[in-house]
Amino acid sequence: DIVMTQSPDSLAVSLGERATINCKSSQSVLYSPSSENYLAWYQQKPGQPPKLLIYWASTRESGVSDRFSGSGSGTDFTLTISGLQAEDVAVYYCHQYYTPPYTFGQGTKLEIK
Amino acid sequence: EVQLVESGGGLVQPGGSLRLSCAASGFTFSSHWMHWVRQSPGKGLVWVSRIYSDGSGATYADAVKGRFTISRDNSKNTLYLQMNSLRVEDTAVYYCVRDKGVWYTSSCPDYWGQGTLVTVSS
Repeated sequence: DIVMTQSPDSLAVSLGERATINCKSSQSVLYSPSSENYLAWYQQKPGQPPKLLIYWASTRESGVSDRFSGSGSGTDFTLTISGLQAEDVAVYYCHQYYTPPYTFGQGTKLEIK
Repeated sequence: EVQLVESGGGLVQPGGSLRLSCAASGFTFSSHWMHWVRQSPGKGLVWVSRIYSDGSGATYADAVKGRFTISRDNSKNTLYLQMNSLRVEDTAVYYCVRDKGVWYTSSCPDYWGQGTLVTVSS
C-alpha cells in the first residue's frame, strides 16, 4: 500500500500570511506515460464532507480560490494557501489515486494564529 | 447540481449487517466511477471501495475485503454498500463519492455526499 505522510500535523498561521502543507508518498504516484501525478488535496471543515481543491497535483478544481495552489512531483508534494483567510480554517488531506487501495494522508489541521 | 444522498446508516450489533444506499442526481451516474470512503469519529479519511461505471472493477480496502460488497444500479442512479459481519471498528460516517473519471478514465474523487453514520455497538 502507498503510505501518505503529511507534515505538519497542525499549524497556526496569521491572517494574510502563507500556509504550507507537505505530503510525502511512500512510492511515486507519477504515471510516466502521461506525466501526471495522481495526487489530490481536499479541505474538510467541521461537520462537512471534504471538498476537492487540487488534482493532478497542481490543477485547481473549478470554483476554488486561486489562493490555493499545489506543486510537486513523484513522491513530494505541497499545498500552499496564500493570503490566509478565516474561512480557510479546516483540516487538509492529501490523497493518492494512483493505485488501490487508494490512501489519504493523516490530515493537517490549519488554525489562525 | 451534483447531489449524492446516502441512507441506511444506523446502530447495529457486532456481527450484524447493513446496506447503505446513495441516490445520485445532477449528472450522468452511469458514466462515472464511484467510491465509498469512511471517517471514524474524530479521525481521518479512509477509502473503502470503488466500482467502475458499468458495475465491474469492484475493489476493496483490506479491512473490509470479504465482508463488504459494493454495487450499483445505473437504471436507478443508485450506489450500494452491503456490509456484513460488522465490527466495532467499522463505526464511522460513510461517504458516497463520485470520481471525476468517466468510463475507463481514472481520476480522483470530486463530489462527496453528506455521509451516513454507522455505529456498531452492543
